[in-house]
Amino acid sequence: QQQVKQSPQSLIVQKGGISIINCAYENTAFDYFPWYQQFPGKGPALLIAIRPDVSEKKEGRFTISFNKSAKQFSLHIMDSQPGDSATYFCAAKWGSNYKLTFGKGTLLTVNP
Amino acid sequence: GAGVSQTPSNKVTEKGKYVELRCDPISGHTALYWYRQSLGQGPEFLIYFQGTGAADDSGLPNDRFFAVRPEGSVSTLKIQRTERGDSAMYLCASSLGDLSYNEQFFGPGTRLTVL
Repeated sequence: QQQVKQSPQSLIVQKGGISIINCAYENTAFDYFPWYQQFPGKGPALLIAIRPDVSEKKEGRFTISFNKSAKQFSLHIMDSQPGDSATYFCAAKWGSNYKLTFGKGTLLTVNP
Repeated sequence: GAGVSQTPSNKVTEKGKYVELRCDPISGHTALYWYRQSLGQGPEFLIYFQGTGAADDSGLPNDRFFAVRPEGSVSTLKIQRTERGDSAMYLCASSLGDLSYNEQFFGPGTRLTVL
């Protein structure tokens, strides 16, 4: 049973546009929601993370929106750049549990 | 400082062979994790070490998989009698501790191909 569902599977955006990736989770015990960015041939790198006590977190061009009642969270990339082209994974973790549960990933392509 | 390193970066082996994948965590990180990432999928948890002991190996798919961390630093993931279905990217990560908000830093992975 997939605990974190991610969409879309792929996304093409023009330079300067907004990229939006969505995730939904099932386990209400989750209390930490990170987003990872992965370039080809590299391991995932933490981009931004949020806890469920806030509805939004912004770091530069990257924003996480969190809807606890709907059990959904999303990543918004403002002013998307070709260098943002990568695979993005949402993930979730709970309490003292150390396992990250990942979504299936979204391949983002930003056209120049 | 140096990040998590993994060797080899690529490993091609034949079905039935034994392989070892190595992970060097960030210095001072007590927690170490192994994940497996199949093509088009997110990483899936395999095993977690706190110090030298495997605190949770519930993600290992079967008894052909084994991992050690004898001195609490470097870890080796061992796969016996490899099968074609074992082909995947094997990722190692480390963190300062196992608290929920401790960031896990990932290595570049070892791509294993079983022919």
